[in-house]
Amino acid sequence: DQQVKQNSPSLSVQEGRISILNCDYTNSMFDYFLWYKKYPAEGPTFLISISSIKDKNEDGRFTVFLNKSAKHLSLHIVPSQPGDSAVYFCAASATGGYQKVTFGTGTKLQVIP
Amino acid sequence: ETGVTQSPTHLIKTRGQQVTLRCSSQSGHNTVSWYQQALGQGPQFIFQYYREEENGRGNFPPRFSGLQFPNYSSELNVNALELDDSALYLCASSPDRGRSRYGYTFGSGTRLTVV
Repeated sequence: DQQVKQNSPSLSVQEGRISILNCDYTNSMFDYFLWYKKYPAEGPTFLISISSIKDKNEDGRFTVFLNKSAKHLSLHIVPSQPGDSAVYFCAASATGGYQKVTFGTGTKLQVIP
Repeated sequence: ETGVTQSPTHLIKTRGQQVTLRCSSQSGHNTVSWYQQALGQGPQFIFQYYREEENGRGNFPPRFSGLQFPNYSSELNVNALELDDSALYLCASSPDRGRSRYGYTFGSGTRLTVV
């Protein structure tokens, strides 16, 4: 039962253009969402998060949008840079108890110079 | 401020053997979570330790067990290894067992291969 889904395994974007990574979730109890970036041979690195009380959070070139009614979130990277080439994981957690984070399967982003 | 360190980085074991993976949490973090990442998949939650007690467990059999020490470092033990246990094992620390706005700090992982 994949509660967090990233349906695009890969994405290629030209340098300077916008990258849009999408994520869908099924568990209505999720109320906190995170994006992690992972380079080969490294652990995931926290990128940006959003609480369910918001519909947008921005940090520099990175913006996350949340559509609760559609159970959908997206990560926008503008402008895309070659150093952004990595695997991006969408993740979610629910209030209460321990901090279990459920991850999607990841989207591999390639930014072409 | 040191990050999360894991050892060893790579390991090859034979089916049926036992393995211990180690993790040192980031300074100031008292909670450690372990994740298994199979090839082409996202990390899957194994369990979490908070102040030396197991604080939550994912859908993994009892042959996956752990420990947390007074200095908040942690071990993951896997008994009776199976071929499907081959994966990247990630340790993540956080400053509290509740949710951190900045999520986890992950280590680089231990690549376990079972043959």
